[in-house]
Amino acid sequence: LAKTTQPISMDSYEGQEVNITCSHNNIATNDYITWYQQFPSQGPRFIIQGYKTKVTNEVASLFIPADRKSSTLSLPRVSLSDTAVYYCLVGGGSQGNLIFGKGTKLSVKP
Amino acid sequence: DGGITQSPKYLFRKEGQNVTLSCEQNLNHDAMYWYRQDPGQGLRLIYYSQIVNDFQKGDIAEGYSVSREKKESFPLTVTSAQKNPTAFYLCASSRQGPFAQDTGELFFGEGSRLTVL
Repeated sequence: LAKTTQPISMDSYEGQEVNITCSHNNIATNDYITWYQQFPSQGPRFIIQGYKTKVTNEVASLFIPADRKSSTLSLPRVSLSDTAVYYCLVGGGSQGNLIFGKGTKLSVKP
Repeated sequence: DGGITQSPKYLFRKEGQNVTLSCEQNLNHDAMYWYRQDPGQGLRLIYYSQIVNDFQKGDIAEGYSVSREKKESFPLTVTSAQKNPTAFYLCASSRQGPFAQDTGELFFGEGSRLTVL
């Protein structure tokens, strides 16, 4: 199963760009990479998903190198409300189970 | 509004009692999942179901049971065999099952917090 490794925590200031990297060395050919955001005592919320290269939506960008063994979530100009835990999820395809890592706790300071 | 509804939001249980957590979705999703989250930890998969009347064990199924008699419902029973049941339980669904090439978006409920007294 494709396990993921992320930094446990990160600090940032309002208005800065934040990049969170996830390592997934055992990613399978059919696996997609998905990022979720979770606030305390709430369910995680989908942010972005990708398979290769770069994906961008209204809230974030996802960069995936050619070997797909890692991915980077980029949050432009973070605000205090972006303080949350961010999870990188690798799964689908032949592996079935959807495995969450321990996530990265992002703290945005004024 | 479409979404996932979990109930109850808070639940207290005495040791030795079974409890059932409800999860209902009106998104017409095929797949449903139960995760457990402990303080400061990530989500761990308990059970998942790809279709009605089918479900599979996740990483930590011991002490839990599920049923999937209807597409909309996927209740989780925490049995007395579960040694450390105090946790935050999250139910999720996805349009396609976990074996689909595109994992698709997971939609989560608001969670149920179980405390054993």
